[in-house]
Amino acid sequence: GQQLNQSPQSMFIQEGEDVSMNCTSSSIFNTWLWYKQEPGEGPVLLIALYKAGELTSNGRLTAQFGITRKDSFLNISASIPSDVGIYFCAGPTPQGGSEKLVFGKGTKLTVNP
Amino acid sequence: SAVISQKPSRDICQRGTSLTIQCQVDSQVTMMFWYRQQPGQSLTLIATANQGSEATYESGFVIDKFPISRPNLTFSTLTVSNMSPEDSSIYLCSAGAFFGQGTRLTVV
Repeated sequence: GQQLNQSPQSMFIQEGEDVSMNCTSSSIFNTWLWYKQEPGEGPVLLIALYKAGELTSNGRLTAQFGITRKDSFLNISASIPSDVGIYFCAGPTPQGGSEKLVFGKGTKLTVNP
Repeated sequence: SAVISQKPSRDICQRGTSLTIQCQVDSQVTMMFWYRQQPGQSLTLIATANQGSEATYESGFVIDKFPISRPNLTFSTLTVSNMSPEDSSIYLCSAGAFFGQGTRLTVV
């Protein structure tokens, strides 16, 4: 089935550093979604991307939809302790229209104050 | 956006029993989805809950183990049947790109 390859698997950074993570697929995606999950919570949507080449920001977060439509990255600038969590990329499966999602394995972010 | 509420938020259950998880959306939606997140893992789709028809299950998931109801456009339930410790996971419902807070199930 469709798979999303997300890297890195984990990151340990100092507060104030910038972070970059990415997601790739062997298949074309029409939408890329980036989520953050904190312990005991469900994934929270951070950024949604709908067009190849699109660059979208949400505060200190910036995400881009790759022009090949097979990749996306998420950047976090000037990290703070509350950025800690697991970040997932996701995209709709071809059979599922726009709502049935496949997820990457996640990037676990630790921020040292 | 949609606000999605799940209950219970967590439960500890005896093996061999069943647990029904409820999911309420604050607006009418055509499709709702149920995911499983095993410890330390990513999310895996269990099934699509369609109003007025049977749920559609993904490979590896069957109706006898995970029966789903979808009585209207704002509500769905997932039952985890005849539970074993391997069923210990977080179960999440979603509508569109939005998720409930999850139900953390521990089977002992």
